[in-house]
Amino acid sequence: QSALTQPASVSGSPGQSITISCTGTSSDVGSYNLVSWYQQHPGKAPKLLIYVGSNRPSGVSSRFSASKSGNTASLTISGLQAEDEADYYCCSYAGSSIHVFGTGTKVTVL
Amino acid sequence: QVTLKESGPVLVKPTETLTLTCTVSGFSLSNARMGVSWIRQPPGKALEWLAHIFSNDEKSYSTSLKSRLTVSKDTSKTQVVLTMTNMDPVDTATYFCARLLTSGSYYFDCWGQGTLVTVSS
Repeated sequence: QSALTQPASVSGSPGQSITISCTGTSSDVGSYNLVSWYQQHPGKAPKLLIYVGSNRPSGVSSRFSASKSGNTASLTISGLQAEDEADYYCCSYAGSSIHVFGTGTKVTVL
Repeated sequence: QVTLKESGPVLVKPTETLTLTCTVSGFSLSNARMGVSWIRQPPGKALEWLAHIFSNDEKSYSTSLKSRLTVSKDTSKTQVVLTMTNMDPVDTATYFCARLLTSGSYYFDCWGQGTLVTVSS
């Protein structure tokens, strides 16, 4: 299984909205509505942001939302804040109990 | 409170076998709605899913690393063990264990802090 493709970096000013894409194939993202998104600050473990469509765990801000179209999933951060500066990863189920992560996107708040 | 904690050697030599242990608390490894995965991250690089073990002891592995990986669990000890054979410097990474919820969905809701493993002679 090949890693899902994400842009290496995305930036935005405070208050703006940004979108991170996650492109897979018809064998993973395109076949299953099982994409999740994770936020990782430097030196920390990843933290679950979004699961199964656009569901957010308790405690995750409603500024984070997600969608999917075909083989591409997207994460949108609205009202960008300084604390959102981190690395973001998508992950998709790929069948046969296998999972694949994205290449990761570094978000910079200008 | 759900917690996972990785433990194992910080340094291994090339060609050696790595053994990592994930000790969990706050949930049972027998719970059919969840399992435990191993995920690694080389310094400055992306996350890579490695292996998973389900409550019924079924296992799954990364296709690229399958020949080198073995995952097992000891439910009574609340531990999941990953072994990786023939270690190479490119395997230097932080290794995480994470709980995977599997009931109608697949996502990693809780992660360990990770343990950095360096492969060097």
